[in-house]
Amino acid sequence: EAGVAQSPRYKIIEKRQSVAFWCNPISGHATLYWYQQILGQGPKLLIQFQNNGVVDDSQLPKDRFSAERLKGVDSTLKIQPAKLEDSAVYLCASRPVWAGYNEQFFGPGTRLTVL
Amino acid sequence: DAKTTQPPSMDCAEGRAANLPCNHSTISGNEYVYWYRQIHSQGPQYIIHGLKNNETNEMASLIITEDRKSSTLILPHATLRDTAVYYCIATSNTGKLIFGQGTTLQVKP
Repeated sequence: EAGVAQSPRYKIIEKRQSVAFWCNPISGHATLYWYQQILGQGPKLLIQFQNNGVVDDSQLPKDRFSAERLKGVDSTLKIQPAKLEDSAVYLCASRPVWAGYNEQFFGPGTRLTVL
Repeated sequence: DAKTTQPPSMDCAEGRAANLPCNHSTISGNEYVYWYRQIHSQGPQYIIHGLKNNETNEMASLIITEDRKSSTLILPHATLRDTAVYYCIATSNTGKLIFGQGTTLQVKP
């Protein structure tokens, strides 16, 4: 079974530029999550999708971050414009809706550096 | 979700058991104890979870105290590949995963 795919793996941009990250979850997983992990900290949930609907985006800085999952499969997270403090690893995770427990499957992440 | 407290770091000799403690004194009745680990440059990986009974799987054992205020993750025979950050999370089966800073386990040869 293929895991969660993310691209790119690394991205370096200047502040005030825009950037987008892509995630393809495990086939059949209806729930998709985006996390931000700043160096030395644990991952922080940004947004949760169930199919193509948003379940929780309370921690998403909506003035600059946006995310979509138009067809309920893959997802894109965008930052526009980026700030220095957005430097982090952005992790995507997925979970099947039928799972009886909270096992999330994480991708390898995209490491963003904002200069 | 209940807050958890873990030691920031621990060492373990290769081949020995690694015992990672976690305090979750405010855990509520419907919250489980989940353990994830994150190997360097990878995403977190689920290890095990439990409600009140001890649990064991192919990766680890989880011992939860009777009052549910603390737990211990046991890796019975640690290898160098078990070097990682281990996160203890108290949450429901459909709740958020709120990661703290975890315990950095260093397995030494």
